[in-house]
Amino acid sequence: DAKTTQPTSMDCAEGRAANLPCNHSTISGNEYVYWYRQIHSQGPQYIIHGLKNNETNEMASLIITEDRKSSTLILPHATLRDTAVYYCIVRVVTGGFKTIFGAGTRLFVKA
Amino acid sequence: NAGVMQNPRHLVRRRGQEARLRCSPMKGHSHVYWYRQLPEEGLKFMVYLQKENIIDESGMPKERFSAEFPKEGPSILRIQQVVRGDSAAYFCASSPWRERSYEQYFGPGTRLTVT
Repeated sequence: DAKTTQPTSMDCAEGRAANLPCNHSTISGNEYVYWYRQIHSQGPQYIIHGLKNNETNEMASLIITEDRKSSTLILPHATLRDTAVYYCIVRVVTGGFKTIFGAGTRLFVKA
Repeated sequence: NAGVMQNPRHLVRRRGQEARLRCSPMKGHSHVYWYRQLPEEGLKFMVYLQKENIIDESGMPKERFSAEFPKEGPSILRIQQVVRGDSAAYFCASSPWRERSYEQYFGPGTRLTVT
């Protein structure tokens, strides 16, 4: 699975958009970008995933650059409950059944 | 539809005792994954199981740790002769089938403390 690089921590004001970057310059053509988050002491929660097109769901949007070497997770209106560690992961959909978690980005949403 | 269930939520064992952690996957899910999270660290993959089969145990320590997912009942992660270094949060996840394994739903975890 390709390695990802994320900032260690970020701050965001409540109500503003939180933009979390991720670099994955060695991503392969069959690898997807996934995002999970872990709120303190809880199990990780799947957020979104994509291959090359931008994706949006009820939780977030995922913007993947055209060369697929980086992506950004966007939480459009961050709330205090979005304070968590966010993990960017790249892996194949089939066969790569285990998820390799890096250190992630610790997002602090402040009032 | 109940989520992934893990029990106990907290487990205290003395050094040398055995720890048994249970995981009941979501209804309809036949794939189970175990992860370990040491204090202030990220999650580390341990083992991936289907019913009655271990598919990938590349993250399991070679000794004292074992896992099973029987035809009936929950998946069990067993740690024999626990040591202080085994103190961690152990998370279980389940997914519907291999091709949708990105849909891993995690349980609340079992926090093991070895005294």
